[in-house]
Amino acid sequence: DQQVKQNSPSLSVQEGRISILNCDYTNSMFDYFLWYKKYPAEGPTFLISISSIKDKNEDGRFTVFLNKSAKHLSLHIVPSQPGDSAVYFCAAREYGNKLVFGAGTILRVKS
Amino acid sequence: EPEVTQTPSHQVTQMGQEVILRCVPISNHLYFYWYRQILGQKVEFLVSFYNNEISEKSEIFDDQFSVERPDGSNFTLKIRSTKLEDSAMYFCASSDVNSPGEKLFFGSGTQLSVL
Repeated sequence: DQQVKQNSPSLSVQEGRISILNCDYTNSMFDYFLWYKKYPAEGPTFLISISSIKDKNEDGRFTVFLNKSAKHLSLHIVPSQPGDSAVYFCAAREYGNKLVFGAGTILRVKS
Repeated sequence: EPEVTQTPSHQVTQMGQEVILRCVPISNHLYFYWYRQILGQKVEFLVSFYNNEISEKSEIFDDQFSVERPDGSNFTLKIRSTKLEDSAMYFCASSDVNSPGEKLFFGSGTQLSVL
């Protein structure tokens, strides 16, 4: 199942700089996109979401951009902090209430 | 902040045995879910539950799996006869009636090891 793809398994960023995590999808029927953060031995924690009718949503240091024509979304974290180091999952909602997850990107923020 | 609680955190069982994974969703939530993540693979949807019945299930969720809300607070996943390939981290999640599927709150998971 490759409906949601995160092609970068890992990303390393310097503290204070911007982190950009990318996600591509193939299913045009997805109506909601979400980003989750996961620390080891914990469950995924909701970060930010965006409806398919919008192209940007911002919440503090986190901004999600959606490009529907390219079937691409990205998460920007500015400025990046060491506590942001985690696995970031992109997820998309089909009709109903099922989420389809990407494989995740490990973000390391170096101080 | 309210949270989803899962017990046990680790469960080891022999192949063919029945296991019950337990979850206490957030108290005012009405939608409940089970997801799992096999080591090195994606988080996968198993089942969603609303109004005391399954609302959606994946092809993974075959006759060996069942879910139940035995009382007003618990939500359980039962695997009747475990197989080696059932070894995974199982996550329970819940969401409120206003945003089903949009913002799920996940528990910390139960690591199931089938030997």
